[in-house]
This record gives sequence, C-alpha cells and structure tokens, in this order.
Amino acid sequence: EPEVTQTPSHQVTQMGQEVILRCVPISNHLYFYWYRQILGQKVEFLVSFYNNEISEKSEIFDDQFSVERPDGSNFTLKIRSTKLEDSAMYFCASRPQGYGYTFGSGTRLTVV
Amino acid sequence: SQQGEEDPQALSIQEGENATMNCSYKTSINNLQWYRQNSGRGLVHLILIRSNEREKHSGRLRVTLDTSKKSSSLLITASRAADTASYFCATDKNTGGFKTIFGAGTRLFVKA
Repeated sequence: EPEVTQTPSHQVTQMGQEVILRCVPISNHLYFYWYRQILGQKVEFLVSFYNNEISEKSEIFDDQFSVERPDGSNFTLKIRSTKLEDSAMYFCASRPQGYGYTFGSGTRLTVV
Repeated sequence: SQQGEEDPQALSIQEGENATMNCSYKTSINNLQWYRQNSGRGLVHLILIRSNEREKHSGRLRVTLDTSKKSSSLLITASRAADTASYFCATDKNTGGFKTIFGAGTRLFVKA
C-alpha cells in the first residue's frame, strides 16, 4: 500500500536555528498538507498545497514557515528561527480530491 | 468550541464490548472523516462519510452522520485490545476549502 514518507523521524535543534522537514507524498495524490500536534493536544492544520502553490494556511503558518515542492516528489516544510513552542510532531499528508488523508509517521521536532 | 469535538474525551471498556464515540461540529460540511492514532504515531484514516450519506460500515466500524444535528458517531463492535488508541473526527467544509479541522479526540482503552 502506498505510503507517505517523512524524514527525519526525530529532529533536535537549538532555538533560533532553521529546520527543514521532508516528506514524500503519494505520487498520484494532488493535495499536500502539513499538520502539527503538540504533545497531548489537537492535530492543528498548518498549510495545504495544490497545483504547486499554497491553497490555504492557518494563522499558525506565519512568516516563520514556508513550504516547497522542489522537485516534483519531495514536499518540505521549513521553519526559520525556531522557538521552544515549535516543539511538536509535524505530520505530512496527501490525499486525492474528496477522499481521506494518508498521513506520514511524523517528525518529532524538539527545540532546546 | 472548535469544529469537530469528540465525546467522551476518554473511554475505558472490556474486550468484546462495543465502543461508541461521538463528534459534533458547527458549520456545514462536505464530508466527515474518522481517524485512529496510536500513541506517538501518525493518524490512520478509517472512514469518510459524505454529507449526503447517513451511515457507512467498514468491518467492525459503523459511522453515522446526522447533518441536521451536526453530529456523527463511530461505533466499534466487539472491541479488541488492539483497538486501544485515540480516535479523531475531522471535517471538510463545503466551501471547497483545502483545510480539514480535527477534533481533540477520544482516548479509547480496551482492557483484555
């Protein structure tokens, strides 16, 4: 069964550093997403990406964040100047239109 | 409260019993989805039910949708210890947006 692959599984970074979280969505899906989940809390929408551009983003997704699909297969989330409160699980997901998501296993980001 | 709120927050049952979880939402939706999350893992899509559907089955899972009450229920029959997980409902708005809103989840514990 096709999978969404995320790397790394765990990233520890110093406060103020930049991190790039990587995802390989399912190849024939058209819609790509980043969500995050702070430990024990809700799954929060960050951004959706369709047709090589951002289609919707949440208030969390400010200038600190950016997404790219650099080569037609990878889908990245960049967090500039990380803060302690950015510590969370970050999930990448993809889906065909009108169907449920396939989520990756997540990247646990720890900002120290 | 937020779109997609599950009830109860936590549920503990014996193996073999049925588990029912409820979800309420506030705005019109295009579809409603249920996901399972094992501790520290990604979310797994269980069922998607569209706004014009009232009931859907998948194996031991039964989902109902009442758009007049803006609510849905997930029934797991003959539960097993392996069903222990958090269960989330999620809604897509019918405005064609690309954002899915997740509830806070129900933590289900099935005792062997």
